[in-house]
Amino acid sequence: RKEVEQDPGPFNVPEGATVAFNCTYSNSASQSFFWYRQDCRKEPKLLMSVYSSGNEDGRFTAQLNRASQYISLLIRDSKLSDSATYLCVVNPPQAGTALIFGKGTTLSVSS
Amino acid sequence: DADVTQTPRNRITKTGKRIMLECSQTKGHDRMYWYRQDPGLGLRLIYYSFDVKDINKGEISDGYSVSRQAQAKFSLSLESAIPNQTALYFCATSDHSTGDNEQFFGPGTRLTVL
Repeated sequence: RKEVEQDPGPFNVPEGATVAFNCTYSNSASQSFFWYRQDCRKEPKLLMSVYSSGNEDGRFTAQLNRASQYISLLIRDSKLSDSATYLCVVNPPQAGTALIFGKGTTLSVSS
Repeated sequence: DADVTQTPRNRITKTGKRIMLECSQTKGHDRMYWYRQDPGLGLRLIYYSFDVKDINKGEISDGYSVSRQAQAKFSLSLESAIPNQTALYFCATSDHSTGDNEQFFGPGTRLTVL
């Protein structure tokens, strides 16, 4: 099992749609989790951290299921500007290591 | 001003040439990273450093070397560039004291090796 796996997509949705991305991770002892957003040819930027109790930021909701080792990102009322690649990121439990990035899920929102 | 800067932003070089990519940060972070990104392969870690003079190999360190002479600077060298090192290279930083290892990325360097 790969350390962080995501469906690469692409997800093609109309404006206003609700779309969900899932991500699985292999190390059950991982402690912190993030969703990053990357626009074409740009650097990844933090979208939101993922907390155990789930968290929401406007139209975006992130959830963590530790028992199943998966993370989700829900985007409601999609906008054209949401078109990007969304990277699932896991902080491994071992001290002195770097974040592990998934390969990303591509979202295309059309009018 | 950008907190994490990379120079050059674009570079075209020839096979066999030595090239250095520079990364500087004003965030005061102790940790710095170099990644490359290729279509379909995502971000792959080349090297990372948790402090000055601390160097750790990442997933794909062969053909690369790094130097961390100061906290704010982390340079990546390709001693003898080859075409399959053509990629988008990102530098990133993080702050150990936050505990969660959130990373902040530079704008990237697009390297083409002919």
